[in-house]
Amino acid sequence: SQELEQSPQSLIVQEGKNLTINCTSSKTLYGLYWYKQKYGEGLIFLMMLQKGGEEKSHEKITAKLDEKKQQSSLHITASQPSHAGIYLCGAGTQGGSEKLVFGKGTKLTVNP
Amino acid sequence: DGGITQSPKYLFRKEGQNVTLSCEQNLNHDAMYWYRQDPGQGLRLIYYSQIVNDFQKGDIAEGYSVSREKKESFPLTVTSAQKNPTAFYLCASTDRGQGAAGANVLTFGAGSRLTVL
Repeated sequence: SQELEQSPQSLIVQEGKNLTINCTSSKTLYGLYWYKQKYGEGLIFLMMLQKGGEEKSHEKITAKLDEKKQQSSLHITASQPSHAGIYLCGAGTQGGSEKLVFGKGTKLTVNP
Repeated sequence: DGGITQSPKYLFRKEGQNVTLSCEQNLNHDAMYWYRQDPGQGLRLIYYSQIVNDFQKGDIAEGYSVSREKKESFPLTVTSAQKNPTAFYLCASTDRGQGAAGANVLTFGAGSRLTVL
């Protein structure tokens, strides 16, 4: 079965710093999804990537999917306390299955 | 506003009791899912349903049961057979018709936290 490895597991940064979270799979990714979760709450959809080399941005968050479609990165520019939370990547399985698998998440703390 | 409502938010259960977590959506989505989240383990799929009156086991279905009698409702029962039920449970849904294959953006509820006493 497909597994997603996220790194780092946790990250503490000073407000204003840039940071990157990675999501890696040993298999080709069919749809890569980034979500954000506040502790004890549901997941909020951030972005979806489908094509190799694709890059999307929303406000200060940029997500990329590599050409081989096996690795994605989430980059936050000039981090703010509002960016704090758990970031999870999820991916579809081959054939367009509606079962998504998720990484274990990256906990981000932004110190003011 | 459209969305997914999970209830209760917090639930305490004694060992040996069955409990049912509610999940209701008004998004007219065909597919619904139940995930379990434990610290350090991410989300694991319990059950999912792509259409009314049909559902499939996920990766950790043992000790759980579901029903899908209505499109908008997908309740999860945590039975006494589930050995370690204390966890955060998340319900999600998606519209099967949107986008290309693999383009399944899940909408999540706010979650239910179950604690076994």
